[in-house]
Amino acid sequence: EAQVTQNPRYLITVTGKKLTVTCSQNMNHEYMSWYRQDPGLGLRQIYYSMNVEVTDKGDVPEGYKVSRKEKRNFPLILESPSPNQTSLYFCASSYHSANSYNEQFFGPGTRLTVL
Amino acid sequence: AQKITQTQPGMFVQEKEAVTLDCTYDTSDPSYGLFWYKQPSSGEMIFLIYQGSYDQQNATEGRYSLNFQKARKSANLVISASQLGDSAMYFCAMRGMNSGYSTLTFGKGTMLLVSP
Repeated sequence: EAQVTQNPRYLITVTGKKLTVTCSQNMNHEYMSWYRQDPGLGLRQIYYSMNVEVTDKGDVPEGYKVSRKEKRNFPLILESPSPNQTSLYFCASSYHSANSYNEQFFGPGTRLTVL
Repeated sequence: AQKITQTQPGMFVQEKEAVTLDCTYDTSDPSYGLFWYKQPSSGEMIFLIYQGSYDQQNATEGRYSLNFQKARKSANLVISASQLGDSAMYFCAMRGMNSGYSTLTFGKGTMLLVSP
């Protein structure tokens, strides 16, 4: 089954404790992206990757890191989480081509609470 | 830069009625795509419909249609014959050529509630 998986689905942590949210896709997609969703703000892009070893900042990259060492995986790293990073996080992937239609497939979301 | 505006924070509709969710966009891209996603209370993002900026006809997918008015930069979602299961948050989004079709920009969403 074609899918994007995220782990963990739920996480409660404390300020300053480094954490990683994993994202994996099995569709051989070049493009992967991380979003955060906050009430009243919609989804905002954190980082994206066009292919292996190619990453770039989105609209809200502060406080986050990513890496793309393999095509299927795109982990999101919070080196020192703070309460303002409490949010719902989505990973997404798609093919990348010179075409506006590349449906993004979303993972199930990770609900993070930073105390 | 791209911008999506959804002016309706919430909408109420009765079952079996049609409803239109508004979406306007701003972009300088000569080529772009517009998307609608549904997010039920369970949280997952469900792709509903896509409209390309050069598509001559409005997109349709079952009960969903997209009323695309390019000159007015609007891409409203029309749901015909609403069902209770349509109660969800709906997001309009776009991606454009100038960003290499790499960035999907979302609106803030419209919460739709369907009553019996």
